Amino acid sequence: EAGVVQSPRYKIIEKKQPVAFWCNPISGHNTLYWYLQNLGQGPELLIRYENEEAVDDSQLPKDRFSAERLKGVDSTLKIQPAELGDSAVYLCASSPLAGAIPGELFFGEGSRLTVL
Amino acid sequence: AQTVTQSQPEMSVQEAETVTLSCTYDTSESDYYLFWYKQPPSRQMILVIRQEAYKQQNATENRFSVNFQKAAKSFSLKISDSQLGDAAMYFCAYRGGRKGGGSNYKLTFGKGTLLTVNP
Repeated sequence: EAGVVQSPRYKIIEKKQPVAFWCNPISGHNTLYWYLQNLGQGPELLIRYENEEAVDDSQLPKDRFSAERLKGVDSTLKIQPAELGDSAVYLCASSPLAGAIPGELFFGEGSRLTVL
Repeated sequence: AQTVTQSQPEMSVQEAETVTLSCTYDTSESDYYLFWYKQPPSRQMILVIRQEAYKQQNATENRFSVNFQKAAKSFSLKISDSQLGDAAMYFCAYRGGRKGGGSNYKLTFGKGTLLTVNP
């Protein structure tokens, strides 16, 4: 079974440029998460989807960040314009159903963003 | 808001020895879940072990076990017979129970403990 797939693995851009990250969750997983992981820190939730609905986006900086999960499968996280402080690893994770007795969150390898 | 604290930024252990990683958390809830996740260098994070707060018995998964002290809000991870492949960043994480509704479903992570295993 394929795991959570993220792309690109690495991205280097100049500040004020846009960037987008893509995530393909495990087949059949209804819930999808985007986490931000700064260097030396634990992941912090940006947004959680149940199918195509964003049910928790309270930590997403909406002035420059946007996300979508069309058709409840793949998801894209966009930053426009990027700032120096956005340099971090963006993790995508999926799980069968958030409201059930929690099982594992399955994480992708992450997309490492460097903003120059 | 719930917080998770890992007071050991780095730990080291000799191969085949035992090591304990510490975690404390703060919550006003009685129903919640605790996790230890492992993040090897440049690889994805994986679940190591999970503990339901309503269970008094400490969870065990092969060489990994926890010491869950609910009153003290402490949740430590013990790795026995350490192996080179155990070297990774370990994150303690908290998730609220279902009574709190959808806002409880996110994982709150600590800052992590970097474990080095010496041959």
